[in-house]
Amino acid sequence: AQTVTQSQPEMSVQEAETVTLSCTYDTSESDYYLFWYKQPPSRQMILVIRQEAYKQQNATENRFSVNFQKAAKSFSLKISDSQLGDAAMYFCAYRSALSSGYSTLTFGKGTMLLVSP
Amino acid sequence: KAGVTQTPRYLIKTRGQQVTLSCSPISGHRSVSWYQQTPGQGLQFLFEYFSETQRNKGNFPGRFSGRQFSNSRSEMNVSTLELGDSALYLCASSLAAATEAFFGQGTRLTVV
Repeated sequence: AQTVTQSQPEMSVQEAETVTLSCTYDTSESDYYLFWYKQPPSRQMILVIRQEAYKQQNATENRFSVNFQKAAKSFSLKISDSQLGDAAMYFCAYRSALSSGYSTLTFGKGTMLLVSP
Repeated sequence: KAGVTQTPRYLIKTRGQQVTLSCSPISGHRSVSWYQQTPGQGLQFLFEYFSETQRNKGNFPGRFSGRQFSNSRSEMNVSTLELGDSALYLCASSLAAATEAFFGQGTRLTVV
């Protein structure tokens, strides 16, 4: 079974600064997807960024980028130029990419990101 | 394009009662998954449905059940409610297996 670990329960950053959220995972599969989801106080889970394990290039979406280290099974999220609206709980998630695989997501426990003016 | 719609948004039930939650996926999405979110256990997988078939089930007691209809809408049912069933129940839909999942706003269930 796959596991996802987020070792930082809470992180703080000031507006305009950069912050990195950590995530490690354990799997015996070679092909999979990794995601970062954001859950603001409204409780709706919003997809931030996605990474395919077979791609060596790190995914980037505007101010959000990842550092994907497949051998180390590490998948960190970097948020640049932090904004007040980035304050939320961030979840790292794993999904198998097997052709007959399921859509099941395995989530980490989350990291609460606090952004101060 | 409408997002994932979950109804109701909030629900208060008494121990021993049963409850049915509904999820309408994004149009064209055939995969629907359900998750339970609690402060103590975090996000836990309940079920996954694809084209009316349950493809995967999480480690929950038999009191938790679900189904998917031909229009891809899904329902989950919890019978004989316990206080510990109080949680945010999230539904996610995907175009197909192994693509990104889009979540609804959740149903907040409180059992008293």
